[in-house]
Amino acid sequence: GAVVSQHPSWVICKSGTSVKIECRSLDFQATTMFWYRQFPKQSLMLMATSNEGSKATYEQGVEKDKFLINHASLTLSTLTVTSAHPEDSSFYICSARDSGKTNQPQHFGDGTRLSIL
Amino acid sequence: DQQVKQNSPSLSVQEGRISILNCDYTNSMFDYFLWYKKYPAEGPTFLISISSIKDKNEDGRFTVFLNKSAKHLSLHIVPSQPGDSAVYFCAASVRGQNFVFGPGTRLSVLP
Repeated sequence: GAVVSQHPSWVICKSGTSVKIECRSLDFQATTMFWYRQFPKQSLMLMATSNEGSKATYEQGVEKDKFLINHASLTLSTLTVTSAHPEDSSFYICSARDSGKTNQPQHFGDGTRLSIL
Repeated sequence: DQQVKQNSPSLSVQEGRISILNCDYTNSMFDYFLWYKKYPAEGPTFLISISSIKDKNEDGRFTVFLNKSAKHLSLHIVPSQPGDSAVYFCAASVRGQNFVFGPGTRLSVLP
């Protein structure tokens, strides 16, 4: 079945550090990938839609300069949390859908737990 | 404006009984719906889908029902097992593009 790989699964770093999270579709091509954030006991919040070869589309209230998204190939999107602060600590999840087919579910990575000290 | 609603934040069911998770949507253009299951600190796992040309889709212990006129779908799990305890999200889309997720329902299956 379709697999989305997300790396790393857990990051602990100091305040001010920039952190890059990778999202790969392993057995399908994805022109569009999605980045979500989840706070404890809350629902998934869509942060941005990553578009291959073009700029990402950010949801209202999400700082594009803070959360840099790059979708350089059909199988890889990256989210970089720049100059991370403790309030950026959260669970970040990516998803992707096979762009070659219609009516396909989004498949999710296992998420990245980001802890900023 | 929440386009996809799951009005029960939590649900407890006895092992072996049926679990019924409900989802309502407001956008009549939605035509493809998914259910996901999520364990803590893991990404959501796709469970089952249904398109608007059907009113029922079944996969093992999981059945999804769609009532288009009521803009309502439900996920039935029978028999419920302790391993089914998780948060369940429904999601809706137009032609499989840009899914909108509900807030989730936490299911607890009691042994």
